[in-house]
Amino acid sequence: ETGVTQSPTHLIKTRGQQVTLRCSSQSGHNTVSWYQQALGQGPQFIFQYYREEENGRGNFPPRFSGLQFPNYSSELNVNALELDDSALYLCASSSKEVGEKLFFGSGTQLSVL
Amino acid sequence: LAKTTQPISMDSYEGQEVNITCSHNNIATNDYITWYQQFPSQGPRFIIQGYKTKVTNEVASLFIPADRKSSTLSLPRVSLSDTAVYYCLVIGGFKTIFGAGTRLFVKA
Repeated sequence: ETGVTQSPTHLIKTRGQQVTLRCSSQSGHNTVSWYQQALGQGPQFIFQYYREEENGRGNFPPRFSGLQFPNYSSELNVNALELDDSALYLCASSSKEVGEKLFFGSGTQLSVL
Repeated sequence: LAKTTQPISMDSYEGQEVNITCSHNNIATNDYITWYQQFPSQGPRFIIQGYKTKVTNEVASLFIPADRKSSTLSLPRVSLSDTAVYYCLVIGGFKTIFGAGTRLFVKA
């Protein structure tokens, strides 16, 4: 158990819809990173939030957006869903004070039909 | 950002030692080498991290030569439950890049 929880665990949406995924970070961690993992591939970095500010972004379009709250929990929002957005979305929390090790949740499996 | 290269897959038998080597030719001075394990439909789990020489914990050892251009994860006496994907990462800064990983299959 990493202490990182994600909700929901599974989600089915249709093309064009919007989705919000949630993540509660491990106690004491101030950084949250989001990853997209397609079937059979490694996780792809979407973005990272540090103390409520976006701290870096991967090669994802603007329709992927996020928030981090004062308690360091986070949301990933995806607008105008496309079929290729079907994937496992992973949240990882970390803290610079404990060596940048990433602690992952179990993910949200998103299916876009 | 340093790119990593590791074998796509490996097979082993229960009780054997498994060594997975990763190359990271462009590793920067401040980068750390980290290995994660992932089971299907779960998030990656931290195994071990090192900067140079040898690091050992209760589940694995990590060997890093002086030039740091490669590293080897050693899993002693694997069991069926070690069947998973293993990722080698070079971490420096905010962006942690995962490659495709090595699929380890442990047979009885």
